[in-house]
Amino acid sequence: QSALTQPASVSGSPGQSITISCTGTSSDVGSFNLVSWYQQHPGTAPKLMIYEVSKRPSGVSNRFSGSKSGNTASLTISGLQAEDEGDYYCCSYASSKYVFGTGTTVTVL
Amino acid sequence: EVQLVESGGGLVQPGGSLRLTCAASGFTFSRYSMSWVRQAPGKGLEWISYISTSSGSIYYADSVKGRFTISRDNAKNSLYLQMNSLRDDDSAVYYCARLVLLWFGLDSWGQGTLVSVSS
Repeated sequence: QSALTQPASVSGSPGQSITISCTGTSSDVGSFNLVSWYQQHPGTAPKLMIYEVSKRPSGVSNRFSGSKSGNTASLTISGLQAEDEGDYYCCSYASSKYVFGTGTTVTVL
Repeated sequence: EVQLVESGGGLVQPGGSLRLTCAASGFTFSRYSMSWVRQAPGKGLEWISYISTSSGSIYYADSVKGRFTISRDNAKNSLYLQMNSLRDDDSAVYYCARLVLLWFGLDSWGQGTLVSVSS
């Protein structure tokens, strides 16, 4: 099972919106509405930001939103803030296993 | 407060074994499926194993199948990962994580424990 494909880096200015794509296949992203997104700051554990494609856990800002179309899922961060800098990983269920994305580094200019 | 605390990492020679432990607190451990996820230095996340609430369903990534064994003790609120035949590319920070419902996402993570495989 290959990793899901994400852009290596995405950047934006404070207040702007950015979108991170996550491309899989019909065996993972395309077949299940079980895509999640994680934020990771250097030296810390990942944090769940979105689950089940578009649901936000309690405590996660509504500036984060998720969607899916076909084999590609997306995470949008609106009103970009300095604290949003870090690495982001998508993850999809794929028949009795999880597959993570390659990871995207978000930089706030 | 949900807490997951991993332990048992360290330096081991290729071919050696280690047993990781994840101690859970702040929630009813027996009601949640759990997973192990690892991250090699400077690399991305890799899911490696899943165990259901009663240990009835267990799954592994192909990269560790046959070498690693996941288990749990609900009476002790603990999750384990027995790692045998360790290789250089098993070097990573190992995280335990709690699943939201079935496979909806991993909503709580430990701080990780570092495993280094080197001669």
